[in-house]
Amino acid sequence: TAGITQAPTSQILAAGRSMTLRCTQDMRHNAMYWYRQDLGLGLRLIHYSNTAGTTGKGEVPDGYSVSRANTDDFPLTLASAVPSQTSVYFCASSEGTDTQYFGPGTRLTVL
Amino acid sequence: GQNIDQPTEMTATEGAIVQINCTYQTSGFNGLFWYQQHAGEAPTFLSYNVLDGLEEKGRFSSFLSRSKGYSYLLLKELQMKDSASYLCAVMDSNYQLIWGAGTKLIIKP
Repeated sequence: TAGITQAPTSQILAAGRSMTLRCTQDMRHNAMYWYRQDLGLGLRLIHYSNTAGTTGKGEVPDGYSVSRANTDDFPLTLASAVPSQTSVYFCASSEGTDTQYFGPGTRLTVL
Repeated sequence: GQNIDQPTEMTATEGAIVQINCTYQTSGFNGLFWYQQHAGEAPTFLSYNVLDGLEEKGRFSSFLSRSKGYSYLLLKELQMKDSASYLCAVMDSNYQLIWGAGTKLIIKP
């Protein structure tokens, strides 16, 4: 199985533009997560979803929004990108509170 | 606040043994995870501890002491492919993972 896929792999975005990072899993996991990873810092949770139709805010939710219309997809939207959102973004999924499995990541640069 | 501490970088020799420590202070404890992350790749799951003691899985072992807020990852018979970052994460009382910044392990021939 593919597990978790993310798109795009990388992107350069002008400040003020909007963008949606895509995440799809085929493991039928009920929980999904978005993290950002910055040099010297641990992974930080942006938003999460415990099940389709519900979402919650993580540690650093400002400037980001998510939706969970179905089990498989969990897109992350930046409404108006700022340079501080330059980061590597990882999507993950889990069955309940079990082990989280990660997608390959999206490297985003905001100029 | 919640805090996970692990060394920033460690160096070891191929064929040797290395121990990577992790100390934590979190609001609640529902298990501790270790992940491996090669440069430019996604984190991949290595081990999970929720009870005190040692969990062994091949060349990798993970130890937990809840009373001390302490864990370590032990890697034996080091191989060059073990060069990676090792991430310690604790599941808190809200069942969210709190992550350390990771330990970059450099293996020398």
